[in-house]
Amino acid sequence: QVQLVQSGAEVKKPGASVMVSCKASGYTFTDSYIHWVRQAPGQGLEWMGWINPNTEITNYAQKFQGRVTMTSDTSITTAYMELKRLRSDDTAVYYCATSWAVGPFDYWGQGALVTVSS
Amino acid sequence: DIQMTQSPSSLSASVGDRVTITCRASQSITTYVHWYQQKPGKAPSLLIYSASSLQSGVPSRFSGSGSGTDFTLTISSLHPEDFATYYCQQTYSIPRTFGQGTKVDIK
Repeated sequence: QVQLVQSGAEVKKPGASVMVSCKASGYTFTDSYIHWVRQAPGQGLEWMGWINPNTEITNYAQKFQGRVTMTSDTSITTAYMELKRLRSDDTAVYYCATSWAVGPFDYWGQGALVTVSS
Repeated sequence: DIQMTQSPSSLSASVGDRVTITCRASQSITTYVHWYQQKPGKAPSLLIYSASSLQSGVPSRFSGSGSGTDFTLTISSLHPEDFATYYCQQTYSIPRTFGQGTKVDIK
């Protein structure tokens, strides 16, 4: 069965960087895009971008351009999302999710809480 | 960016009620709309894809309809486990965007 297992909760200071990982299993890693979606406390879902692990081509939401980097390692079927220059309003649960091309996000990781606080 | 506007933002309903949630896109997205359910502390899960296709394992009381700019998620008879927040999403273009969510709680 498809599983996406994310790294654990993080607490960071403003200005720092955070990297969240997403370990995929149960499907061919290079067949699906990996998306990153975040959810601030009590708020809705916000798409951050995707990576195609087959080509390593990425597409980031304009809001995060210059601060986010998405990578993948096909040898260990793991995707990564690094967010730099953290601010307090980056406090959120960060999810990874899979899709093919223009399809829905059919599998989701369990989420990783990132807290940004001085 | 394509804006997805859900209504209502919240609703109160009873077990057995028929519930309808609407989602309007700011431009035509044909049928590239999907619906998710999210329970507190959990990741979203896919209910309906491509406007009207039921995801495997999802109960048949859930259904979706619409095309172009107007879409509907219907729960034909609300079960206790259906109290949750529901989101629509478009994958017609980048950036992928979600509606603001509809919280369904117990009347």
